Amino acid sequence: NAGVTQTPKFQVLKTGQSMTLQCAQDMNHEYMSWYRQDPGMGLRLIHYSVGAGITDQGEVPNGYNVSRSTTEDFPLRLLSAAPSQTSVYFCASRVTSGGNYEQYFGPGTRLTVT
Amino acid sequence: AQKITQTQPGMFVQEKEAVTLDCTYDTSDPSYGLFWYKQPSSGEMIFLIYQGSYDQQNATEGRYSLNFQKARKSANLVISASQLGDSAMYFCANLYTGRRALTFGSGTRLQVQP
Repeated sequence: NAGVTQTPKFQVLKTGQSMTLQCAQDMNHEYMSWYRQDPGMGLRLIHYSVGAGITDQGEVPNGYNVSRSTTEDFPLRLLSAAPSQTSVYFCASRVTSGGNYEQYFGPGTRLTVT
Repeated sequence: AQKITQTQPGMFVQEKEAVTLDCTYDTSDPSYGLFWYKQPSSGEMIFLIYQGSYDQQNATEGRYSLNFQKARKSANLVISASQLGDSAMYFCANLYTGRRALTFGSGTRLQVQP
């Protein structure tokens, strides 16, 4: 299993540009989520999904869109990049039942908006 | 609002000694889980240990143990026999019933000295 994969690893955008961060998992996990990590801080939830076709907002959703058309993929779209979105973005997945709540994280995408 | 507090921004420990990283949480939910993650300088999030609120015994995973004091709402991580490779950021997080994602603390930077 590849686990949770994210692309790209690094990205530089200009203010106002849009882009999509890709996330995929091959563990058949129902639950997927996106977090951002700003310097010196813990991770904060942007959006999450409990299954294909179902998404919901997290703690800091403004400026981001998500969709979940398949179990495997959960892309994060930045609509119009702003310097405040400079951060490291982590995608994660886990099962939603069975008592094993371990969340598997991708390697992260480091995004800089100038 | 649910909250995780890590009061130690930085800690130093001598190699081969034990160290305790503090974590307190705030919830009125009777069912929840507590997690610790390690984030080395390379940036990935590594799952260390999990404790469920109904677990009677403290969780252990190798050199990691979780000192769970439910009445005090604390979930401290104990690392025994510290190694140089333990130098990293450590995040405490929890998952509440009905909430779909982890809430993270701000982290503790541990430095192991030879």
